[in-house]
Amino acid sequence: QSVLTQPPSVSAAPGQKVTISCSGSSSNIGNNYVSWYQHLPGTAPKLLIYHNDKRPSGIPDRFSGSKSGTSVTLGITGLQTGDEADYYCGTWDSSLNAVVFGGGTKLTVL
Amino acid sequence: EVQLVESGGGLVQPGGSLRLSCTASGFAFSDYEMNWVRQAPGKGLEWVAYMSISGRTMYYAGSVKGRFTISRDNAKNALYLEMNSLRAEDTAVYYCARELRMSYWGQGTLVTVSS
Repeated sequence: QSVLTQPPSVSAAPGQKVTISCSGSSSNIGNNYVSWYQHLPGTAPKLLIYHNDKRPSGIPDRFSGSKSGTSVTLGITGLQTGDEADYYCGTWDSSLNAVVFGGGTKLTVL
Repeated sequence: EVQLVESGGGLVQPGGSLRLSCTASGFAFSDYEMNWVRQAPGKGLEWVAYMSISGRTMYYAGSVKGRFTISRDNAKNALYLEMNSLRAEDTAVYYCARELRMSYWGQGTLVTVSS
């Protein structure tokens, strides 16, 4: 049982838009910055979004992040087959003194 | 180019010990906090441990507290994870990741705990 809650899977057609939600509490998302990661099996996870809505250099603007209260959302537009991966949200939990991740969401581009 | 390379994984019996290393290059290692994160087979990412820039502050996941120890050698640009009293549930790919936002990750090293 993860501290942060994500849907297990989402799917959409190529070229479409998808959103992935991540909900937590005041001890984590509500009062700390959130990051999003893309992970393809057998590879190193990649940082997509940090500080809730900032993109590292090299990450296309098809990826976006937003935050409202104790929830965050990752948006991906113009879906490509190469976007098929597992996506994780992560943040610091001030009560646990620990980094917490969501359980991960598998994106399928149909 | 930022690079993080993990090593030291392998097969170990339950109750055994293992020491993982993460060698950093392409950035000023001594200026960054570091983490260990793992992924068990078929499971999601699980944070394991954090170490501050100075090395004076460490945090651990409850599942490894008292058994694992994170350390660093800034002169060698290296991060370590000493793992003791290993259990089957510690079987995972272990990654090192730079800073709290985990901006860069290594490719991981596989630890298998089995008799």
